Amino acid sequence: AQSVTQLDSQVPVFEEAPVELRCNYSSSVSVYLFWYVQYPNQGLQLLLKYLSGSTLVESINGFEAEFNKSQTSFHLRKPSVHISDTAEYFCAVSEGDDMRFGAGTRLTVKP
Amino acid sequence: NAGVMQNPRHLVRRRGQEARLRCSPMKGHSHVYWYRQLPEEGLKFMVYLQKENIIDESGMPKERFSAEFPKEGPSILRIQQVVRGDSAAYFCASSPSSGGYGYTFGSGTRLTVV
Repeated sequence: AQSVTQLDSQVPVFEEAPVELRCNYSSSVSVYLFWYVQYPNQGLQLLLKYLSGSTLVESINGFEAEFNKSQTSFHLRKPSVHISDTAEYFCAVSEGDDMRFGAGTRLTVKP
Repeated sequence: NAGVMQNPRHLVRRRGQEARLRCSPMKGHSHVYWYRQLPEEGLKFMVYLQKENIIDESGMPKERFSAEFPKEGPSILRIQQVVRGDSAAYFCASSPSSGGYGYTFGSGTRLTVV
């Protein structure tokens, strides 16, 4: 069965600094990969996903993630963060019918 | 086109009572998933259902927990004889089919057992 490891539970950064949230997965078959964002007291929102094709995927708010099959990674990056990016970020992997989530990374952007 | 609707948003139950959590998937979505979120523990898969069928309940505790997704009406997660350890946020998600579509999540039900 698939599993996901998010290597950092908390990532504090200053506003306008770059950030990388790390995600590694394990699976024996082809997978779909996702990043979700959760703002306080809300549900999860899909940020971006990799299904096939180009290994670099982007979201509308400046985040991007790169699928690296050899390293089984799907790290999330943003070149310059804003205060409003403060949230919990979850990496997820799907082999088919169900999805498994990482433990989450709490990104805190400080002024 | 409403998203995934969960109710109630907050639920308080005394130990030993029953908790019923409801989830109406997005229109056109036939797959429903329930997750539990505890502080600092991320999301834990509980159960995956399609209409009138439980597909995967490998994450459900063996006792006191049950789920259904009837032909008509919302999906229900039922917790009998609640204990303090059941206090958590419970999230429902839906998808039109399996795999690459991703899930649409509801806003969750926060259960507090007192």
